[in-house]
Amino acid sequence: DVKVTQSSRYLVKRTGEKVFLECVQDMDHENMFWYRQDPGLGLRLIYFSYDVKMKEKGDIPEGYSVSREKKERFSLILESASTNQTSMYLCASSTEEGRTGELFFGEGSRLTVL
Amino acid sequence: AQSVTQPDIHITVSEGASLELRCNYSYGATPYLFWYVQSPGQGLQLLLKYFSGDTLVQGIKGFEAEFKRSQSSFNLRKPSVHWSDAAEYFCAVGESNYQLIWGAGTKLIIKP
Repeated sequence: DVKVTQSSRYLVKRTGEKVFLECVQDMDHENMFWYRQDPGLGLRLIYFSYDVKMKEKGDIPEGYSVSREKKERFSLILESASTNQTSMYLCASSTEEGRTGELFFGEGSRLTVL
Repeated sequence: AQSVTQPDIHITVSEGASLELRCNYSYGATPYLFWYVQSPGQGLQLLLKYFSGDTLVQGIKGFEAEFKRSQSSFNLRKPSVHWSDAAEYFCAVGESNYQLIWGAGTKLIIKP
């Protein structure tokens, strides 16, 4: 089975802190994604990566950056956390498969910024 | 503007009863259509997807969905729900994984 592992299920940070959210997938997938999930808003794409060292902005990249130094790892970085970044963060991966392959999700990282 | 609407925030269904979750979309072309399920404390899992061909698609866990072009809908159905189906269900549309538009989700509650 494909496994997408997010390093932290729950984090509590203070305003202004730098936050790293790590995601690792074990199926050699080309594509990796970071989503933000908020009640009533569904999922919103923050960034995605289709190859090592490649990244593309999604719908809501402001206040976030990403890093993909290795194929299996995709990190989301909040340079200076703010309270409006309190949310559930979901990592996903997929094969190339015509760019419409199944997304495999991690269990999520719930971030609270105080 | 492109959008996906799941009109029901919550739905309560008795165990054993049938289920229909609604999804309507606004999109310039005919997109690819997906339903994902998120069980409590879990990541999302693909239930089924529609790309082309037969407009009635079968998925995992006994779910099916019907694409109706004239209504811009892709409703999810199950003939008899089980308590384990309690979860949040998301409809998504798009031309690729890089461009999916997600609905807000419908939370399914199962009455014993």
